[in-house]
Amino acid sequence: ELKVEQNPLFLSMQEGKNYTIYCNYSTTSDRLYWYRQDPGKSLESLFVLLSNGAVKQEGRLMASLDTKARLSTLHITAAVHDLSATYFCAGGAGSYQLTFGKGTKLSVIP
Amino acid sequence: EAQVTQNPRYLITVTGKKLTVTCSQNMNHEYMSWYRQDPGLGLRQIYYSMNVEVTDKGDVPEGYKVSRKEKRNFPLILESPSPNQTSLYFCASSLSGTSGRGFFGPGTRLTVL
Repeated sequence: ELKVEQNPLFLSMQEGKNYTIYCNYSTTSDRLYWYRQDPGKSLESLFVLLSNGAVKQEGRLMASLDTKARLSTLHITAAVHDLSATYFCAGGAGSYQLTFGKGTKLSVIP
Repeated sequence: EAQVTQNPRYLITVTGKKLTVTCSQNMNHEYMSWYRQDPGLGLRQIYYSMNVEVTDKGDVPEGYKVSRKEKRNFPLILESPSPNQTSLYFCASSLSGTSGRGFFGPGTRLTVL
């Protein structure tokens, strides 16, 4: 059974700083997703990572996948207030089932 | 506009009264799925469907039923709701269950008294 752990669960960071959210998973996962959720809203897909070494970037966010370490990271560069949200990673392992981490609530403060 | 729709968006009901939450997508996606979101627990998958007439259990299927008679629709049925099913429910779809980007519906907030 795949388990997905995110850390930190809460993150307060200053505007302009860089930080990384970590997503560890327990068994081999053949796909890894990152989602964003704004308060009171639905989830928005950010990245889909399908192979070892995959790196995807959009704006100030960059996601990577290391299948050997069973680790995905979401790196935030020069944070701005608009990035304040909850970020989820989710993994799938060999079936169509999908397991989510508990989410990282990010607050970007001036 | 590509979207996943859910109805109703809000529902308050009583224990034991059968209800259905509808989910529809207009993107011709093969894969559809239901999740519940609870504070401190994140999202947990209830059921998923790989295609018409093909469904399977997720992590928390107890107390729920689904059907997939048409590609675009994937209703969630609670035959006898209980208070522990009070939650925020999301439907999602993707082109493929193993690689596609997921599109989520707006959510249904269900309260069972």
